[in-house]
Amino acid sequence: AQKVTQAQTEISVVEKEDVTLDCVYETRDTTYYLFWYKQPPSGELVFLIRRNSFDEQNEISGRYSWNFQKSTSSFNFTITASQVVDSAVYFCALSEEYSGGGADGLTFGKGTHLIIQP
Amino acid sequence: DTGVSQDPRHKITKRGQNVTFRCDPISEHNRLYWYRQTLGQGPEFLTYFQNEAQLEKSRLLSDRFSAERPKGSFSTLEIQRTEQGDSAMYLCASSSQGASTEAFFGQGTRLTVV
Repeated sequence: AQKVTQAQTEISVVEKEDVTLDCVYETRDTTYYLFWYKQPPSGELVFLIRRNSFDEQNEISGRYSWNFQKSTSSFNFTITASQVVDSAVYFCALSEEYSGGGADGLTFGKGTHLIIQP
Repeated sequence: DTGVSQDPRHKITKRGQNVTFRCDPISEHNRLYWYRQTLGQGPEFLTYFQNEAQLEKSRLLSDRFSAERPKGSFSTLEIQRTEQGDSAMYLCASSSQGASTEAFFGQGTRLTVV
């Protein structure tokens, strides 16, 4: 069965610091997809990125970057020069591609509450 | 289309009452998911539909829970004989395909059972 672990329950940094959110996953599938979502206080989950298991290229989008390493089953998320608006709960999630095509939705980690202090 | 919408946003009910939530997905999305999120936890999968067919149910979905998606458009989630343990945020999401595509979430319905 799949599992996602986000060991950091809460991280607090001062604005403009860089911060990395860790995500470790477990799956028996060879084809799977990894996601990061942001949940601000309003409650709506906002999609940030998707990665498939065959693409280990790291990705950068503005101040956000993601480091996917299959060897360590990790998909870490770094925010550079953090801002107060980055304060939210961040979730890492996994879905698997069965022969029928991803039947059981996303498996989420417990989330990391990121607090950016001004 | 402005995204996934859920109604109501908040619901307070007495234990033992039935409640029903509604989700309107993004119109061109054929997959619709229900998740439950309790405080300090990540969302947990409950069930999903492809068009009008309910294809998967989590073991979290007890027989007091039922979901429908008539005509493959909006969906409803009903909880019968609510219990205090049902208090949670109920999230709906939709996607255009399966595991390979991102799901878009609504703002959720927060249920409080008193």
